[in-house]
Amino acid sequence: DQQVKQNSPSLSVQEGRISILNCDYTNSMFDYFLWYKKYPAEGPTFLISISSIKDKNEDGRFTVFLNKSAKHLSLHIVPSQPGDSAVYFCAASMRNNAGNMLTFGGGTRLMVKP
Amino acid sequence: NAGVMQNPRHLVRRRGQEARLRCSPMKGHSHVYWYRQLPEEGLKFMVYLQKENIIDESGMPKERFSAEFPKEGPSILRIQQVVRGDSAAYFCASSPAGRVYNEQFFGPGTRLTVL
Repeated sequence: DQQVKQNSPSLSVQEGRISILNCDYTNSMFDYFLWYKKYPAEGPTFLISISSIKDKNEDGRFTVFLNKSAKHLSLHIVPSQPGDSAVYFCAASMRNNAGNMLTFGGGTRLMVKP
Repeated sequence: NAGVMQNPRHLVRRRGQEARLRCSPMKGHSHVYWYRQLPEEGLKFMVYLQKENIIDESGMPKERFSAEFPKEGPSILRIQQVVRGDSAAYFCASSPAGRVYNEQFFGPGTRLTVL
């Protein structure tokens, strides 16, 4: 039972354009969402997060949108740069979870072409 | 401020041997999490520990796997009698205490290969 899904395994975007990565979740108890970026042979690096009391959070070129009614979140990167090429994971957590464990999606591989 | 440290980075074991993976959290972090990533999949939660306590081990396989986070020293994930299906990347993450929501900071991972 996959509670967090990233339905696009890969995405290719031209440098300078917008990259939109999508994530869906099924558990309505999730109330905190995070995006991580991962390069090969490295650990995931935290990018941006959003609490369920918000519908948007912005940090530089990265913006995360949350649609609670649709149980959907997306990460927008604009403008995209070649260095953004990596695997992006969305993750979800819930307040009542004793350990704040993260439930991850399967990842989307982003390729930004120069 | 050093990040999360994991060693070894690569570990090769034969079936039936034991694997020990070590994780030192970031300075000032008292919460440690272990995740496993199988090839072409996302990370799956295994266990959450604080110093000398296992808080949540709901993601740990029932047999052969154990974890500890002693008062002194790194957290250890131990896999006894490894099988080929244990081949994966094992990531440790840490976070500080005292906040409702914490970003978790990940180490570089240990890639376990079972021959």
